[in-house]
Formats: sequence, structure tokens, C-alpha cells
Amino acid sequence: GESVGLHLPTLSVQEGDNSIINCAYSNSASDYFIWYKQESGKGPQFIIDIRSNMDKRQGQRVTVLLNKTVKHLSLQIAATQPGDSAVYFCAENTGQSGAGSYQLTFGKGTKLSVIP
Amino acid sequence: DAGVIQSPRHEVTEMGQEVTLRCKPISGHDYLFWYRQTMMRGLELLIYFNNNVPIDDSGMPEDRFSAKMPNASFSTLKIQPSEPRDSAVYFCASSDTNPNTGELFFGEGSRLTVL
Repeated sequence: GESVGLHLPTLSVQEGDNSIINCAYSNSASDYFIWYKQESGKGPQFIIDIRSNMDKRQGQRVTVLLNKTVKHLSLQIAATQPGDSAVYFCAENTGQSGAGSYQLTFGKGTKLSVIP
Repeated sequence: DAGVIQSPRHEVTEMGQEVTLRCKPISGHDYLFWYRQTMMRGLELLIYFNNNVPIDDSGMPEDRFSAKMPNASFSTLKIQPSEPRDSAVYFCASSDTNPNTGELFFGEGSRLTVL
């Protein structure tokens, strides 16, 4: 939507194909990661999360992969549908978990366009 | 169930005017967050509350910005005086769990335009 960056990376996929959205995170100490979906004119919506002690987590039609060695996160969407068209944000918790503080830092986002 | 409710959805004001944005979190949620989204900077955390107490306001850009949470069901973000560079979409979000591990529920946002 018009609320996000003009220079967002854009991924165009054919309906029914699989989508892979990538994200590089910044802090090697981050222990929790989330993917959010933001449709035009709406707030971000939680999709799936993963803790740093995991490499992979699956949800309904979505899979998140975490590679801590290279600080990379990916979101895979199976059988992409027109309703998946949105901006997708990865977010990392860079706060000090033990101290109870919180700092969820969002990436700039990737715009996914699904071609019918 | 009602989600996070924000008002107004849109506001257009002139530079120097006071702006007040309002948020009603999901009932029972102990954490409330204010985020700002712009084209240039993406989503930025401004401040968050736990049990109505401000915990971290390091993201508040300057003294013109203030936020309050007088009770568990209401929060305000105030900008006084407003400036054109404050134009953005302001999101409120709430959470019922440890925010280090839990999901945030976002409202629909308040789009602010300062002329």
C-alpha cells in the first residue's frame, strides 16, 4: 500500500507458484523472529514466528527458515494466491530478553504481487 | 472479537496544530505499542507500555511527542506542535504475552498529514 517505501524490493509470482521472500537481519544476538503481512491500508498482521534455537518452522502454506550463520531469514509461501499480495516484513527482537526489555525491529519489507 | 481500535483513521492538519491519536487495545492485553510508518524509515517503535506504565520511550523522536495510558483500555499519542515531517501512518498494537516471544496485534492505523 501507499504507506510503505517506494523502493521496496518487489517479487512477482504466478498464482499457484511458490514464493520465497528473503530477509537479512542485523543482530547476531537476536533470539526471536517474526514475519508480518501488511495489506494495503491495513496494519501488519502476524504470519509466523521462529525462535533462534530452531532452523525451520511450518504453518499453513507458510514455512520460515532461519540460517543463523549468515543471519538470514526466509518465508516460503506454497501455492501463492491473489490474497497473498501484500508487503511482507521480517522482524527481529533485538532486545535483551533476560532483562525483560523489548525491541522488535522491522525490516523495510518486500512487496509480493501475485499474477492471476 | 474487536481488534485494536484506532481513531481517527485519517487526519489532515496544519503545521503548528496539536494532534491527538487514540487507541483502544484488545481487552486483557497488558502491552501497548505505538509505531510510526513512513516511506523513508519503515516501521519504527515510538514507545511501549506494560500495565499502563511507559517502559521504553527512547523511540519518541522529540519532546513534541508524548504518549499516555490512563487506563488499560485507552492510550493517546499527542504531537504538539505538529510539523510536516510528522506526516506518517501511526499504528497502535497490543499484546497479551511477553513481547519478546509473542504476537503483536496491530490496529488499522491513523494516517496523519501535516500541511
